[in-house]
Amino acid sequence: DADVTQTPRNRITKTGKRIMLECSQTKGHDRMYWYRQDPGLGLRLIYYSFDVKDINKGEISDGYSVSRQAQAKFSLSLESAIPNQTALYFCATSDFDRNYGYTFGSGTRLTVV
Amino acid sequence: AQSVTQLGSHVSVSEGALVLLRCNYSSSVPPYLFWYVQYPNQGLQLLLKYTSAATLVKGINGFEAEFKKSETSFHLTKPSAHMSDAAEYFCAVSDIQGAQKLVFGQGTRLTINP
Repeated sequence: DADVTQTPRNRITKTGKRIMLECSQTKGHDRMYWYRQDPGLGLRLIYYSFDVKDINKGEISDGYSVSRQAQAKFSLSLESAIPNQTALYFCATSDFDRNYGYTFGSGTRLTVV
Repeated sequence: AQSVTQLGSHVSVSEGALVLLRCNYSSSVPPYLFWYVQYPNQGLQLLLKYTSAATLVKGINGFEAEFKKSETSFHLTKPSAHMSDAAEYFCAVSDIQGAQKLVFGQGTRLTINP
């Protein structure tokens, strides 16, 4: 099994619909992150969490919300999806004490029509 | 605030030629620096990292990068390109204190010509 699992892998949804992207990890890391990838823009941070009681906004949090249900689970929600939220979304984890970089999930490709 | 600039959104080299992907960073605190690779339809894989030890860092698949503080650069090189190196490459910076958020560059797509 993958260390960081994202579901679904692909999703097409309609404008105005609520959608949740899920992420679970078996790394035992405290820190979890949601990034969005757009061509030519690299990856931009949406939200990050240091533990279940600590949620922080990233640089592009508008239109998104998150929930840290447990140390191993971090979900991203789009309350009312819009077409410019069409992107590739990545979940990642990191180990605070080592800072060896992140472990990324395989991504969720979201299309809003 | 930290930032990363990757010079060249597309780089094309011939098989067997030198690969050079450029990355410059800005950071008000000593940085940790990373290179990630993304193959088509896959997630990001760590190539190498600089975490304040040796300035010349060797990574997987024959890649290496050199941290140059005076030039605020962390360029990625490989002496001889292989067809399997075709991918998108991302440089990223993280502070060694505080939030430990990775800030990514825009990415460079590497094409290998036969």
